[in-house]
Amino acid sequence: DIQMTQSPSSVSASVGDRVTLTCRASQGIGSWLVWFQQKPGKAPKLLIYAASDLQTGVPSRFSGSGTGTDFTLTISSLQPEDFATYYCQQANSFPPTFGGGTKVEVK
Amino acid sequence: QVQLVQSGAEVKKPGASVKVSCKASGYSLVDYYLHWVRQAPGQGLEWMGRINPDSGDTKNAQKFQGRVAMTRDTSINTAYMELNRLRSDDTAVYYCARGGKNFVKGDYWGQGTLVAVS
Repeated sequence: DIQMTQSPSSVSASVGDRVTLTCRASQGIGSWLVWFQQKPGKAPKLLIYAASDLQTGVPSRFSGSGTGTDFTLTISSLQPEDFATYYCQQANSFPPTFGGGTKVEVK
Repeated sequence: QVQLVQSGAEVKKPGASVKVSCKASGYSLVDYYLHWVRQAPGQGLEWMGRINPDSGDTKNAQKFQGRVAMTRDTSINTAYMELNRLRSDDTAVYYCARGGKNFVKGDYWGQGTLVAVS
């Protein structure tokens, strides 16, 4: 199985900050990378698919980039509703696998 | 609008089975793969398997082989996930989610079903 590693495991930030989260795959996955946001007690929400395609309805302050093994999710200006845990997931090879998550916390 | 509505929380004893339902509305179940993902308390997401609701074909993670069954009833637009021989480490919230073949775009998720094994 492909291992997905997210870093950091948590990050402290303030409203208005630019935040960059990293996800690394144990082998190349092309652009088959998905980002989810999850808030406590809620189901994950799709933010980005195919590494950089923004899901309909997701604010443009979220962006994704990368290909191969290294990927990033950037929040250009952190908003109060963005404090959450973010997961990456590879969709290149069976089985789909998730990273361990990065929690974005209030500084 | 598209919705996936799951059945309610369950408490089970070790060794028992649980069957979680996932009713789709706003689209036809047969038009998308349906995946099951679980999340243990305080932990990350774990993909369990998928069903092609059109053909009924399933594919599961190796970890759950022989212990999980995914089925569907297209007449009522509902999918099911049954997990057998429950253990305490199966305690988790179980989600159904709509997505492509290899979960390329999990765009709609159910609200989650807590299964507690104790």
